[in-house]
Amino acid sequence: GENVEQHPSTLSVQEGDSAVIKCTYSDSASNYFPWYKQELGKGPQLIIDIRSNVGEKKDQRIAVTLNKTAKHFSLHITETQPEDSAVYFCAASLTGNQFYFGTGTSLTVIP
Amino acid sequence: GAVVSQHPSRVICKSGTSVKIECRSLDFQATTMFWYRQFPKQSLMLMATSNEGSKATYEQGVEKDKFLINHASLTLSTLTVTSAHPEDSSFYICSARGASLQETQYFGPGTRLLVL
Repeated sequence: GENVEQHPSTLSVQEGDSAVIKCTYSDSASNYFPWYKQELGKGPQLIIDIRSNVGEKKDQRIAVTLNKTAKHFSLHITETQPEDSAVYFCAASLTGNQFYFGTGTSLTVIP
Repeated sequence: GAVVSQHPSRVICKSGTSVKIECRSLDFQATTMFWYRQFPKQSLMLMATSNEGSKATYEQGVEKDKFLINHASLTLSTLTVTSAHPEDSSFYICSARGASLQETQYFGPGTRLLVL
């Protein structure tokens, strides 16, 4: 089955700096890669996703890149703000049948 | 759009009782719903997948007689934890996927269960 690894497990950045979280996956057939933000005591919220036919996608301060050859994808957050502090999960899926989640990254943005 | 609600948000019950958690898709028809369990500071663990009108498919190691799942309509799925014990205490989260939403899963806010 699919195996998703996520790094780093914790990340602290100064407000205004950029944050990068990386995930690798093992199944080359996976074709859908969402990123979720989870605040304490709440459910995960979809923040951006990318499909395998696209190499990069951007939505304001958030971007995701995908390297199918290397089987890794990354989340980039620019101009970080304190409200970006949360746990971020990546996932890999084959047509959405089952999501394989990474272990999560706890991001802290220091004011 | 794509809002999923859960009820209750938190519940405390005595050992041996049963607890029902509801998951609703508010603005779309959820052809598939997923139930997850999450322990503190850990990732989401898929418990089961349910398609409307069909029996749920449980992941290995999840007791189907203990965690009863019903997906009777395109907007509602329920998870019943039967004869709950303290080790069942956890954060339970549902997600839903609709035919119009392609692969994306939208998550509910979660239910915190504490079994005394």
